[in-house]
Amino acid sequence: DTEVTQTPKHLVMGMTNKKSLKCEQHMGHRAMYWYKQKAKKPPELMFVYSYEKLSINESVPSRFSPECPNSSLLNLHLHALQPEDSALYLCASSQEPSGSYNEQFFGPGTRLTVL
Amino acid sequence: AQRVTQPEKLLSVFKGAPVELKCNYSYSGSPELFWYVQYSRQRLQLLLRHISRESIKGFTADLNKGETSFHLKKPFAQEEDSAMYYCALRGSGGYNKLIFGAGTRLAVHP
Repeated sequence: DTEVTQTPKHLVMGMTNKKSLKCEQHMGHRAMYWYKQKAKKPPELMFVYSYEKLSINESVPSRFSPECPNSSLLNLHLHALQPEDSALYLCASSQEPSGSYNEQFFGPGTRLTVL
Repeated sequence: AQRVTQPEKLLSVFKGAPVELKCNYSYSGSPELFWYVQYSRQRLQLLLRHISRESIKGFTADLNKGETSFHLKKPFAQEEDSAMYYCALRGSGGYNKLIFGAGTRLAVHP
C-alpha cells in the first residue's frame, strides 16, 4: 500500500459537535503531518509528528487536537469549531521527519464544513 | 523571513507553447525547493525537487541563487499539464516543514 488515506471524505458539523478526522499510511513512514487548505489558498502546516511524538504545533487553536496512536495512524480531533475553520484538511507522511530526499506524500483530504 | 512568492495566479497558454511558472523565495542559507502539482480531483503530489535536477513530464526547474528563483519550465505545453502548481520551500528548524507559495493555475488550451 503506497498511499495515504483519509476518512471521511466530507464532514459537516455544528459548532458544538465533536468529531475526528483520520489519516492512515502503511509505508513505514515515521513522520506525519496535518495541513489546512482554505479555498484557492496553499496548504498551511498545522502539526508535525515525528516517531509518534508531536514535534511542531504551528500555534494552532486548542479546538484542534492531534493524536498519533501508532506509527501508521494520525487523528485530528475537532471540538467547538468555528465556521471559519471550514477547509480541506490534508494529511501527509514522509519516510523521515528531517533531512533531504524526504518527499511528503499527501492524502486526498477531508473537506470540512462547520455550520 | 522564509517566504515563497508565485506572482501569477493564472497562466493561460495554447498547446505546444512554452511554459514558465515563476517562483521566487526568501531564505537565509541553502534552500531546498520543490514543485508540487495538483491535477483536478487528484491529490497534491511532488513534481520536482531542485536537489535531483531531473526532468519530470518534460518539466525542469533550475535553482538560481543569485535571483532567488526556482522557475518551472516546459518547452511544449500539453493539455494534460493543466493543473495547480505550487512552489514550496523546506523551512528551517530541523523538521520537514514545507512553506508553500500561493500557487499558479496553468490552463493549456487546445
